[in-house]
Formats: sequence, C-alpha cells, structure tokens
Amino acid sequence: QVQLVESGGGVVQPGRSLRLACAASGFTFSDNGMHWVRQAPGKGLEWLAVLWSEGSNIFYADSVKGRFTISRDNSKNTLYLQMNSLRAEDTAVYYCAREYGSGTLDYWGQGTLVTVSS
Amino acid sequence: SYVLTQPPSVSVAPGQTARIACGGNNIGSKTVHWYQQKPGQAPVLVVYDDSDRPSGIPERFSGSNSGNTATLTISRVEAGDEADFYCQVWDSSTDHQVFGGGTKLTVL
Repeated sequence: QVQLVESGGGVVQPGRSLRLACAASGFTFSDNGMHWVRQAPGKGLEWLAVLWSEGSNIFYADSVKGRFTISRDNSKNTLYLQMNSLRAEDTAVYYCAREYGSGTLDYWGQGTLVTVSS
Repeated sequence: SYVLTQPPSVSVAPGQTARIACGGNNIGSKTVHWYQQKPGQAPVLVVYDDSDRPSGIPERFSGSNSGNTATLTISRVEAGDEADFYCQVWDSSTDHQVFGGGTKLTVL
C-alpha cells in the first residue's frame, strides 16, 4: 500500500535552515508528481510546492519562493524540502502528498512539525 | 491569484444532509477536489474531479460543480463525519494548488 513518511521536523531558531524528507513506498515513486503542504497551528491547509515526476517542472507558493527548495531522489524514493531563512510564521505541520492527476492529492503523509522559535 | 471561499462552519443533525459550499470565480470551469481532516490527522481525499469518490469512501459523500460554486454533499450524516473539510483546485494560470479556508462540520 502507498505510504509517505515525513521526517526532519523539530525546533529551529529564526534565520536557520532545516531539511525535511518524505520517504515513499508502495508505488513507483518516479511516476508521480509530489507536493509539500503545510498547516499552521489552528489554521487551514497551505500549498507550498510541487515537483513533477520528470523533475523538470517546479512551482512554489509566493510565501516560500526563494527560501524553500523542493527536490527528489528517485533512486531513494524520497522527496525533500530544504527550508532556509526560517521565520516564526513558518511554524506548522508539513505534509508531503502524492499527485494522482489533475491536481488531486490522493495520499498524504502523517506530517512533521516544524517550530521556529528562539 | 485564485481564491476559494468556504463557510467557516456547517452544523447538521445526525441522519440529515450536510452541504458544504466552495465559491470561486467560474469554478465550474475548474476541477475541484475535497479533503476531510479529523483532529490530529492528515487530510484524506473524499471527492476528486468534482464528483468522483476514491475507493473506500462511502457513497454518502458526493460532489458537484457548476458556475461559481462547488458543493460537497454528505448524506445521512454520522457523528464520525465531524471534521474539517477543504476544497482545492489547480490554478493553471499560476501552476499553483489553491485550498479553500476550510469548513468545520459539526454533528449536533
């Protein structure tokens, strides 16, 4: 069965960096686009970035463009999110999600909590 | 950028029908997906491509999309349906996913 497992969250000081990983299993990872979505405490879902299966097309939300970088290693079935210049407002649960097609996010990981605080 | 508007909350008695609206400019021309999120859990896809259901999702969940409003309908609501629901589209003009603000469904 499809599984997505995020890791790498934790407490980090403002201005520092953190890299999240999303380990995928149960499907051919290289066939699917992958997304990162976050949810601040008590707030709604916020889409962050997508990396299409072929790896050539990447898009970011304006809120993270220039600070966050999405990447993937198809040989390791792993998606990454490099987060630089972190701010307090980046505090959230970060989810990775698989794209099924037409923008459908059919499987989600359990999320990893990132807390940006001094 | 494209904006999706949802009511903050919807309340319904058990056994009744809940309708959750998602408003957007000419949303009927886009493909809408719906997610259910229970407290402390990841979102779960309940309707995709406006009105299709993933395997394992009860037939009580259905969707429609026309004009400026998409609607998630939950028939014969059960206590276990209580959750936050989000609509979502892919905005092709910006290549961005867009989520609605979410609707909290309360079962009275």
